[in-house]
Amino acid sequence: AQKVTQAQTEISVVEKEDVTLDCVYETRDTTYYLFWYKQPPSGELVFLIRRNSFDEQNEISGRYSWNFQKSTSSFNFTITASQVVDSAVYFCALSGSPYAGGTSYGKLTFGQGTILTVHP
Amino acid sequence: DTAVSQTPKYLVTQMGNDKSIKCEQNLGHDTMYWYKQDSKKFLKIMFSYNNKELIINETVPNRFSPKSPDKAHLNLHINSLELGDSAVYFCASSWGANTQYFGPGTRLTVL
Repeated sequence: AQKVTQAQTEISVVEKEDVTLDCVYETRDTTYYLFWYKQPPSGELVFLIRRNSFDEQNEISGRYSWNFQKSTSSFNFTITASQVVDSAVYFCALSGSPYAGGTSYGKLTFGQGTILTVHP
Repeated sequence: DTAVSQTPKYLVTQMGNDKSIKCEQNLGHDTMYWYKQDSKKFLKIMFSYNNKELIINETVPNRFSPKSPDKAHLNLHINSLELGDSAVYFCASSWGANTQYFGPGTRLTVL
């Protein structure tokens, strides 16, 4: 069975601070996808990034960066110079890839979410 | 321009009633999903359809019945609503098992 753990339930920072959201996963699939989604106070789920398990290159997009380490089964998300608009619940998620087959194919397993509050 | 849309956005109803939530996507995707988000924000998949065929059916009470009239639509019908069904229901779509894009959610409140 697949499992995603976001150990930080809530994080509170002051604007311009850097913040890292942790994500640890478990899967028996040899190939899989990892995701981050953002859920702002308005409630919608916004896709941020997808990572293939065979691509361990870190990614940066503006103030956002992601660190994928297969050896520790972690896929952490860092926001640099946080802003009030970053306040949201952030979800890490895992699914099987088409190459893995099995019952996890296409099924997103979410972590519990981390509530990030950025204060002015 | 809306990619994945759901109606209604809010649904308030009495216990025992039957209700439906509709979902439509205009992304040309072949796979659609229903997820449930509980009061603690936990998200769990309920169903998935690929080309109108049910491919994922998690342990969900059979009071919940999805219906996919075509690839662009996936509706969720709930019979005999119970208090515990109160949640936010999200529809999503994807091309195969690729990135899933979510609708705005439907907040269901059962009184």
